Order: sequence, then C-alpha cells, then structure tokens
Amino acid sequence: AQSVTQPDIHITVSEGASLELRCNYSYGATPYLFWYVQSPGQGLQLLLKYFSGDTLVQGIKGFEAEFKRSQSSFNLRKPSVHWSDAAEYFCAVVGADGNKLVFGAGTILRVKS
Amino acid sequence: DTEVTQTPKHLVMGMTNKKSLKCEQHMGHRAMYWYKQKAKKPPELMFVYSYEKLSINESVPSRFSPECPNSSLLNLHLHALQPEDSALYLCASSQQTGRNSKGGEQFFGPGTRLTVL
Repeated sequence: AQSVTQPDIHITVSEGASLELRCNYSYGATPYLFWYVQSPGQGLQLLLKYFSGDTLVQGIKGFEAEFKRSQSSFNLRKPSVHWSDAAEYFCAVVGADGNKLVFGAGTILRVKS
Repeated sequence: DTEVTQTPKHLVMGMTNKKSLKCEQHMGHRAMYWYKQKAKKPPELMFVYSYEKLSINESVPSRFSPECPNSSLLNLHLHALQPEDSALYLCASSQQTGRNSKGGEQFFGPGTRLTVL
C-alpha cells in the first residue's frame, strides 16, 4: 500500500532563512506527488505537483520541490521564508486506483521574526 | 472560477439533530470528495463521487449520508452524530478520478467546522 512519511512534525525557521520540508513516499510504480498547504481552520491549497518529466517542479508562492526516485523523496524547498508561510504542509501521493490521496502526517512550520 | 465553496462555515448541533453540509464547484469537475479532518491530523477520506455516482465509501458510519444531486453539488447529511464526530469537514473536487486523470490534483473548499454537543 502507498504511504507517505513526513519525519518532521514541527519546524521553526527565521524569516528570510531557507526552508526544506522532507517527504518520503512508498509506492511501487511512478508516483504522482503533491504538496498542499493549510492555514489554521482553512482548507488545503495545492502548492505544486509532480506527474512526470523534469524532477524539479516549481509551484506557487516561490516554492519548489525535487523528486528523487533513488531516495523515494519529494522534498519541498523555499529559498527565503516569509512570516505568511507559517502553516501546516502536507505531502501526498495518489493511490494506485487514482481515487485516493494518501497524506503524510503533516509538518507545522513556524516562522520567527 | 477555480473555487470550491462550502456552507455553512461553522455548525453546532446536538446529537439528535439533523443537518446538512453543502459543497459547490463550477469548474466542470466530475469527481467530488468528502474528507474529515481532526485537529493536528491529515484529512481522512470519507466518500468519493465520480460522475454523480458514489464510487468509494471508506466504511463511514451510516449517520453520515452523502448525496450528489448534480455534477456541481455535493451534500453531506448528518443525523444522530456523536461528539467524536466533531471535526473540520472538507469538500474537494478534481477533473476525474483515476491515475491517468490526475485524480490527485484536488481543489479543496475552506471546510465546515462541526461541533457536536
């Protein structure tokens, strides 16, 4: 079965510093991978997605993610964090039947000024 | 229009009440989803509708009853809920289901915060 692991429950970074959120997946075939962001009490917003092709994908709000098949990873990065980036970030993979998103446990990002 | 709307935003109900949550999208998507999200947890899939037909029920208790009146609307009827059902209920839509149809690219609504007393 597919699974997603986000090893960091909380991460705190200073405003202006770089950010990397880790995501590891377990899936036998080529995965379809996603990063979503959720502000408190809000719905989820899609940041970026990987289906195929270039392994470095660009998303909204200055985020990017790199797919590394050899490491089964899809880490999210941002070169300079803004206070408004404080939120919870979920990595997800589509299940084999294409009907289900399998989410990681999420990483809460705190930004200190 | 790339928005999924949900009403109401907040709902407080007693265990004997009957209420409904509503979700609407006008993106022409043919797949719609209900998720339940408890605090500090990822969303959990409840139901999937594909072309207005229920395709997945993740063993959800019968006190939750989904309905898809047309391709733009999705309802979740609630009856005899328990306090542990208190959560954020999220609706989402995607073009279609299926791996070749990018079923994972889902657009989420803002959610309904449900409190069961």
